[in-house]
Amino acid sequence: GAGVSQSPSNKVTEKGKDVELRCDPISGHTALYWYRQSLGQGLEFLIYFQGNSAPDKSGLPSDRFSAERTGGSVSTLTIQRTQQEDSAVYLCASSFMGQDTQYFGPGTRLTVL
Amino acid sequence: DAKTTQPPSMDCAEGRAANLPCNHSTISGNEYVYWYRQIHSQGPQYIIHGLKNNETNEMASLIITEDRKSSTLILPHATLRDTAVYYCIVRVAFLSRAAGNKLTFGGGTRVLVKP
Repeated sequence: GAGVSQSPSNKVTEKGKDVELRCDPISGHTALYWYRQSLGQGLEFLIYFQGNSAPDKSGLPSDRFSAERTGGSVSTLTIQRTQQEDSAVYLCASSFMGQDTQYFGPGTRLTVL
Repeated sequence: DAKTTQPPSMDCAEGRAANLPCNHSTISGNEYVYWYRQIHSQGPQYIIHGLKNNETNEMASLIITEDRKSSTLILPHATLRDTAVYYCIVRVAFLSRAAGNKLTFGGGTRVLVKP
């Protein structure tokens, strides 16, 4: 079946611009996660949505980062006033509620010039 | 979640079994061992997980020592497409988790399968 999809696959933007990254989780998965991976680094947790519960935003690095999940499905990660240090691959994952196995999308490579 | 230790890199020959070790000496009784891998330019991929019994699926086998302080991921017949970074993660079962559900990835083992 269809896996987690993310768009765009690549995004190049100028410093100071806002960007939106999209994630379509696997159908039926109630949990959705955002991570980022800087060049040569490990994965860094950003935010977690579970059903209708309040999201766990503990990993967001600054108030320039926000995310929403509409209708319990698609999620958008927004980065305002992008900085060069925001350059990374942004990964989305989803899972069934109560299950620990997370299924990752291919990621969006963000480059801030 | 307990800390894990993995060798930073290892090579293996195509067609041979690849044995990837992981130490997790501080693991608790309700913590599972998970393995993921990340092929270059792709998102992480779930491989297998277990609590205390050995597990096998179509991708790999997971051998957990009796004291659960270490485990080994076995790729029975490594192919060039198995070249990736392999991550061993220990985490409390979902229902026992007090808060948060993030995966914490360490450095992993960079596996290079050679022809």
